[in-house]
Amino acid sequence: DVKVTQSSRYLVKRTGEKVFLECVQDMDHENMFWYRQDPGLGLRLIYFSYDVKMKEKGDIPEGYSVSREKKERFSLILESASTNQTSMYLCASSLTSSYNEQFFGPGTRLTVL
Amino acid sequence: KNEVEQSPQNLTAQEGEFITINCSYSVGISALHWLQQHPGGGIVSLFMLSSGKKKHGRLIATINIQEKHSSLHITASHPRDSAVYICAVLTQGGSEKLVFGKGTKLTVNP
Repeated sequence: DVKVTQSSRYLVKRTGEKVFLECVQDMDHENMFWYRQDPGLGLRLIYFSYDVKMKEKGDIPEGYSVSREKKERFSLILESASTNQTSMYLCASSLTSSYNEQFFGPGTRLTVL
Repeated sequence: KNEVEQSPQNLTAQEGEFITINCSYSVGISALHWLQQHPGGGIVSLFMLSSGKKKHGRLIATINIQEKHSSLHITASHPRDSAVYICAVLTQGGSEKLVFGKGTKLTVNP
């Protein structure tokens, strides 16, 4: 079974803090994705990566950056957290293409105070 | 206007009822996914389809490419089917990005 894990289920940070959200997948998937999910807005893509050290902006990249130094790990970075970044963050991975099933992590509920 | 529209937004049913959730999209697509999200956040993929119909247990997904419409059916619904069901499309043009609907919250009462 594919497993996608995220470093925390719940996280509380203060405005201005630097925040790291980590995602690890164990099935040698090439594609990895970071989404945020907000009530009434659904899932929105922040960034994705189709290979090590490669990244592409999604629909809402402002205020975020990412890092993919190893194939299995994809990190989302909030350089200076703000209250409007309070959200559920979901990581996903897929084998080679979005024709393939995306496997999701359990999510991190981030609250920025 | 959103590229992917789901209806209804909320649906309440009695155990045993036949359920239909609809997804309409306004762009050319290569594939369409149906996802299920249980309370607590975990999302699982139910189906990926680009034509016709797929069945898995009590779940059936259909797609009509000409009408830009897909449906997810649940036969003999059960309280454990209570979840948010999300439609997502892979747009044409080589992008690896999915575009998501806002989800349909299904509650099945015993």
